[in-house]
Amino acid sequence: AQSVTQLDSQVPVFEEAPVELRCNYSSSVSVYLFWYVQYPNQGLQLLLKYLSGSTLVKGINGFEAEFNKSQTSFHLRKPSVHISDTAEYFCAVSEDDYKLSFGAGTTVTVRA
Amino acid sequence: EAGVAQSPRYKIIEKRQSVAFWCNPISGHATLYWYQQILGQGPKLLIQFQNNGVVDDSQLPKDRFSAERLKGVDSTLKIQPAKLEDSAVYLCASLRHRDVNIQYFGAGTRLSVL
Repeated sequence: AQSVTQLDSQVPVFEEAPVELRCNYSSSVSVYLFWYVQYPNQGLQLLLKYLSGSTLVKGINGFEAEFNKSQTSFHLRKPSVHISDTAEYFCAVSEDDYKLSFGAGTTVTVRA
Repeated sequence: EAGVAQSPRYKIIEKRQSVAFWCNPISGHATLYWYQQILGQGPKLLIQFQNNGVVDDSQLPKDRFSAERLKGVDSTLKIQPAKLEDSAVYLCASLRHRDVNIQYFGAGTRLSVL
């Protein structure tokens, strides 16, 4: 069975500064990896996904993530954040059965 | 295309009462999921449907929770009777076909059990 650990529960960051959200997973088989964003009182929206191929994945809103198989990590980065990036971010892993296992989430608060 | 629709958005009940949530997935999406998201945690899968059949309900507390998707389209999730620990957001998601592996989520129903 797979599991996901998001290493930071809260990340405060100033506007226009870079941000990195850390995600590690455990699985005995090949996995698919996802980052979702959840704005207040809304459902989850897909930011980006790794299914296969290039380990550097670019998503929406300027986010990117790098899959590192040896370190079983899938960290999310953005070089310059905006106030509107304030939200909760979830890392998720899926094996072939197409069920998602989510991490506990990282709350990003962007300050002016 | 329209997204995943859920209703109601909010529900407040007292413990031991019953409650039902409704979900209408994106048109053509055969797979439907119900998740429970407790405050401060990530979503946890409760049940997965493929068309009108159950694929996985291993995490569904079957003594009080039930779900159905009778015509393979919309779905209802019921809790009877509710407990305080059932307070959470209940998310519905749908997936088009297996080789895409992208789930689309509704806005959720926030349940408060008093």
